[in-house]
Amino acid sequence: AQSVTQPDIHITVSEGASLELRCNYSYGATPYLFWYVQSPGQGLQLLLKYFSGDTLVQGIKGFEAEFKRSQSSFNLRKPSVHWSDAAEYFCAVGADSSASKIIFGSGTRLSIRP
Amino acid sequence: EADIYQTPRYLVIGTGKKITLECSQTMGHDKMYWYQQDPGMELHLIHYSYGVNSTEKGDLSSESTVSRIRTEHFPLTLESARPSHTSQYLCASRGGTAEQYFGPGTRLTVT
Repeated sequence: AQSVTQPDIHITVSEGASLELRCNYSYGATPYLFWYVQSPGQGLQLLLKYFSGDTLVQGIKGFEAEFKRSQSSFNLRKPSVHWSDAAEYFCAVGADSSASKIIFGSGTRLSIRP
Repeated sequence: EADIYQTPRYLVIGTGKKITLECSQTMGHDKMYWYQQDPGMELHLIHYSYGVNSTEKGDLSSESTVSRIRTEHFPLTLESARPSHTSQYLCASRGGTAEQYFGPGTRLTVT
């Protein structure tokens, strides 16, 4: 069965500092991977996705993520965070391109220190 | 940018009332989903639909029901609201690719 683990519940970084949010998945084949962001009281917005090909994917708002099959990881990175990046971040996995269901991780809350 | 709408955005209602949360999308997506999310917590899938007249229960048991009479519309109904139903409800849809697009959510409080 698919599963997603986000080991960090809450991370605080200083504005302008780099960011890495961890995500590990469990699935037997190549998964379809996503990162979503959720601002307080809002729905989820897709930041980026990985289906195949280049293992480093670029997303919106300056975010990128790297798929590492050997580590079953799909960590999200940003070289310099802005105060507006404070939000909840969810990693998610789907079994294949036609997957009707996506499994979400428990989320990482990002706070930005001025 | 996806166009998926949820109404109401906020709802405070008394125990025992019947409520319907509305979800509509204008993208012609076949697949639609309802998730339940407590504050600061993960999303739990409670219902989904592959298309008109298709509905399935999700991974989290829910006392709510759904219907899919039109492609663009996927309402969720609680026949008798209870305080345990207090939560945020998120609707999503999916087209030909695997990602899901989310509405803004309905925050429900049952008193």
